[in-house]
Amino acid sequence: EVQLMESGGGLVQPGGSLRLSCAASEITFSNYAMTWVRQAPGKGLEWVSTMNGSGGSSYYADSVKGRFTISRDNSKSTLYLQMNSLRAEDTALYYCAKHTGYSGSHPLAFWGQGTLVTVSS
Amino acid sequence: QSALTQPASVSGSPGQSITISCTGTSSDVGAYNYVSWYQQHPGKAPKLLIYDVSNRPSGVPDRFSGSKSGNTASLTISGLQADDEADYYCSSYTSSGPLYVFGTGTKVTVL
Repeated sequence: EVQLMESGGGLVQPGGSLRLSCAASEITFSNYAMTWVRQAPGKGLEWVSTMNGSGGSSYYADSVKGRFTISRDNSKSTLYLQMNSLRAEDTALYYCAKHTGYSGSHPLAFWGQGTLVTVSS
Repeated sequence: QSALTQPASVSGSPGQSITISCTGTSSDVGAYNYVSWYQQHPGKAPKLLIYDVSNRPSGVPDRFSGSKSGNTASLTISGLQADDEADYYCSSYTSSGPLYVFGTGTKVTVL
């Protein structure tokens, strides 16, 4: 079973930047779309961004479009989320999740344990 | 893109059946058979319960079942057990702008 390990979270001031990473124990990483989902404290799940297996297509929630950039390094089986111009409302636990197939239409079968991002002065 | 609508809470006694609804639009739930359901226990990551409306991943008990009619999907839990007490989220692939949308979440309480 694939293991997903997120890192890079922390405390950052409003307007600041963070880069999240998600390392997968998956040698066929490029076969699968990957997604970031966040969950604000005490709130529900919010889809953030998805990238297909090759990295050629990416999609963003309106709430992060233009500020966040998803990317992946298939040679390192690692997914990234570059977060710029952070706002208080971006405070959340960020999960990375692996789809069961190449595109985002497949379900999210495997999830990491999340990395906490706190945006506060 | 608005979240899919779920009831905030549903409760039932052990052994009973409960159903959680998930209402979307003709751009998401109504447009595709790409509806999934996730279970989340407190402090844990979500777990896939149902995919493609009614399919169960290996290891998920057949007490969990999914269905869809029009713009509304449903998750039914039969033979309710104490460990079923958790938050449940539906999700759908969508054609309107963003790729994916989650439901508002439903807290299931076992009385």
